[in-house]
Amino acid sequence: AQTVTQSQPEMSVQEAETVTLSCTYDTSESDYYLFWYKQPPSRQMILVIRQEAYKQQNATENRFSVNFQKAAKSFSLKISDSQLGDAAMYFCAYRSSNFGNEKLTFGTGTRLTIIP
Amino acid sequence: ETGVTQTPRHLVMGMTNKKSLKCEQHLGHNAMYWYKQSAKKPLELMFVYNFKEQTENNSVPSRFSPECPNSSHLFLHLHTLQPEDSALYLCASSQDSNKGAGNTIYFGEGSWLTVV
Repeated sequence: AQTVTQSQPEMSVQEAETVTLSCTYDTSESDYYLFWYKQPPSRQMILVIRQEAYKQQNATENRFSVNFQKAAKSFSLKISDSQLGDAAMYFCAYRSSNFGNEKLTFGTGTRLTIIP
Repeated sequence: ETGVTQTPRHLVMGMTNKKSLKCEQHLGHNAMYWYKQSAKKPLELMFVYNFKEQTENNSVPSRFSPECPNSSHLFLHLHTLQPEDSALYLCASSQDSNKGAGNTIYFGEGSWLTVV
């Protein structure tokens, strides 16, 4: 079974600075998908960024980028130019590419605080 | 707005009541999910439906009964719940096929359930 570990329960960053959230995972599969979701106080789970394991290039979405290290099974999220609206819980998630096993496995989350 | 709508957003029920949570997706997806989010716990997958067929039941107690009448609607019927069942219940959907999964899962805003 796959597991996802987020070792930072809480992080804080000054507004306009850069912060990196860590995520590691364990799997025996070679093809899979990784996601970062954001959950603000409204509790809506919002997709931030997605990475296909077969792609070596790191995914980017505006101020959000990932550092995907497949051999190390590491998938960190970098937020540049942090904004007050980035304050939320951030969840790392794993999804198999095998049909019949499409569920998302989540980490325990990192609470990100933005300091004005 | 992610295209996944959940009702009601808040529900308070007694342990002897019977109630239902409803989820509707407007994205043309064929897979739908129920997740449970409790305080200080990772999100827990409860049920997966693919093409209206239940493909996963993650050892959920029988007091939770899912129903998927078509690919756009998913219900969670609740009866004789316990106070520890109080949580945020998140519905989600994705477009999957027998050619491989990995497409992004989109979440609703959740239904807050309080059992008294």
